[in-house]
Amino acid sequence: GDSVTQMEGPVTLSEEAFLTINCTYTATGYPSLFWYVQYPGEGLQLLLKATKADDKGSNKGFEATYRKETTSFHLEKGSVQVSDSAVYFCALSDYNNNDMRFGAGTRLTVKP
Amino acid sequence: NAGVTQTPKFQVLKTGQSMTLQCAQDMNHEYMSWYRQDPGMGLRLIHYSVGAGITDQGEVPNGYNVSRSTTEDFPLRLLSAAPSQTSVYFCASSSAGAGANVLTFGAGSRLTVL
Repeated sequence: GDSVTQMEGPVTLSEEAFLTINCTYTATGYPSLFWYVQYPGEGLQLLLKATKADDKGSNKGFEATYRKETTSFHLEKGSVQVSDSAVYFCALSDYNNNDMRFGAGTRLTVKP
Repeated sequence: NAGVTQTPKFQVLKTGQSMTLQCAQDMNHEYMSWYRQDPGMGLRLIHYSVGAGITDQGEVPNGYNVSRSTTEDFPLRLLSAAPSQTSVYFCASSSAGAGANVLTFGAGSRLTVL
């Protein structure tokens, strides 16, 4: 079945460092890809999404590009802030089903 | 604020007890779902519903029941709790399916089964 594999954490960075969190997927169809973020004590929130190959999702300085040839959707940010400390989840969903598959999550801690 | 409301936020049960986790949304979303979150495993889908009167199983449905009598409510029932059901549970909704539109999540319910 469809699945998502993302970079294991935790990841600890200094403020203003460059962030990459790797995500690869396996899918039989043409899924939409998502990054969700979970701040401490809260539910997940959508960070960005891409619905077809070569689409780039972006939000709050984060970016990810849907790469069909490498089945990847890596999350990047050029300069992280302390407020970016959270758990990040890569996810995929096929339009024709109602099952969103999530990766295991990557905990990011940004130190001042 | 509009959104997804889950109750209770915390619950401790003994093995064999039953309970219901409540989920309500006020966005008129047709799609609602329940996930469990376990360390190192991300979120896994338990059950979902695409509208009132319609429910279906997700990836890990055993030990859980759901019903959808109204568009707004989607309760999750544990009939006989087991320690393996210790987890954080999230309810999520969407206007149309899991992938077609963004999922809106509740704040979560932390369940401990002793």
